[in-house]
Order: sequence, then C-alpha cells, then structure tokens
Amino acid sequence: ETGVTQTPRHLVMGMTNKKSLKCEQHLGHNAMYWYKQSAKKPLELMFVYSLEERVENNSVPSRFSPECPNSSHLFLHLHTLQPEDSALYLCASSQKAGSGGYEQYFGPGTRLTVT
Amino acid sequence: GQNIDQPTEMTATEGAIVQINCTYQTSGFNGLFWYQQHAGEAPTFLSYNVLDGLEEKGRFSSFLSRSKGYSYLLLKELQMKDSASYLCAAMDSNYQLIWGAGTKLIIKP
Repeated sequence: ETGVTQTPRHLVMGMTNKKSLKCEQHLGHNAMYWYKQSAKKPLELMFVYSLEERVENNSVPSRFSPECPNSSHLFLHLHTLQPEDSALYLCASSQKAGSGGYEQYFGPGTRLTVT
Repeated sequence: GQNIDQPTEMTATEGAIVQINCTYQTSGFNGLFWYQQHAGEAPTFLSYNVLDGLEEKGRFSSFLSRSKGYSYLLLKELQMKDSASYLCAAMDSNYQLIWGAGTKLIIKP
C-alpha cells in the first residue's frame, strides 16, 4: 500500500471524448506529479504541483489539462487525444518539490488506450 | 543534454548476485534514486545516494561515484520475486528527476 490511489485503473477513449484521471494521496505530502510511461521509454514528467501551485509544465500538449484543488487531490483532464497518447499515466507525491532527498511515492497508474 | 543509461535487460539465477549499472549526465546533480517496478504495478522507492560510496539496505545496496557519473544497484541472494524492472533516476540542479528507461531483470530458477 503506497498511500497513493488512482482511478480509473484502465480507460479506453475515442479521440473526440473528454475524460478525467483522478489521483489521491493519503500521505500528507505537499507535492504531486503526473508522469507518462510508455513501453521501453523513460518516465516523462508532465506536471508538478507544489502546495497546489503548478511549478513545472514540461511542454505538454494542451489536450492535457491538470487540476490540483488541494494538496491531496490531483486530476488530469483529457480531451481530443491522439493514439500516441496511449500509455500508463502515473501519479506520484512527495513531501516537497524543489528539494533533494525526498523520494516520490507512486500510484498504480491508469492504463489509457486512445482509439 | 541530460541522459541516463542503463542496460535494457539482464538475466540472473536465483540465489546469485547481480549488479545493475547506471550512468548519468545531468545539469547539476542532487542525488541518484533507484526504484523497483513489477509488471503492471507502481514504481517503489529502493534507495537514494547523494554522497559517494555504498549504501546497504538488507539484500540491496546502491553505490554512487559522482566524479564518474556512475551508480549501481547490487542485489544479493536473488529471489524469484526480484524479477522486475529497476529504474535509475538522477536529480538535476532544478530538483527534477531525469529517468532511465529501466532495466528488466529476469530471475531464473
């Protein structure tokens, strides 16, 4: 039990759909992250939130829209996705962002398939 | 550019020892992390090194040489449950993690 939960675990959506991924952390952390994991590729950091403010946006297409209403919840809103967006989307949290030595705790991920 | 290199796949025998190497090139350096990821599961934290030397945690040890941009993860007394991918990640000057693609470790009886 990592203390980070994600829903749904699996999602199939068409390119014209709108859906949202949800992440919740029960660890009292102040930083939350969205990553994309594609087969045999390094984890790609998408967004970082620290104390509910976005501090990093690594040139992610606008079809991905994050929302962090409080330090325990993180959403990723999806619209008009492309087939190449099919991947495992991982949420993570840590005590602090912008500081060394704090490991990240990951959720189980949402396996997204765009048809 | 920033880069992490680690072998794609390794095979080892149950009960043996295996060393997974990782080399990194980052803009600044604030530590090196190792994570374990079983198929279909979340990555879980194994170790963090920021100073040169060896850190031991039970059957797992991690080594860092900052001057060489090099780290390794050493797994002793391998068990079948150690079959997983092992991810190396270096933290750069902006405290952002730069990830390797992972090493898939296959344990054979």
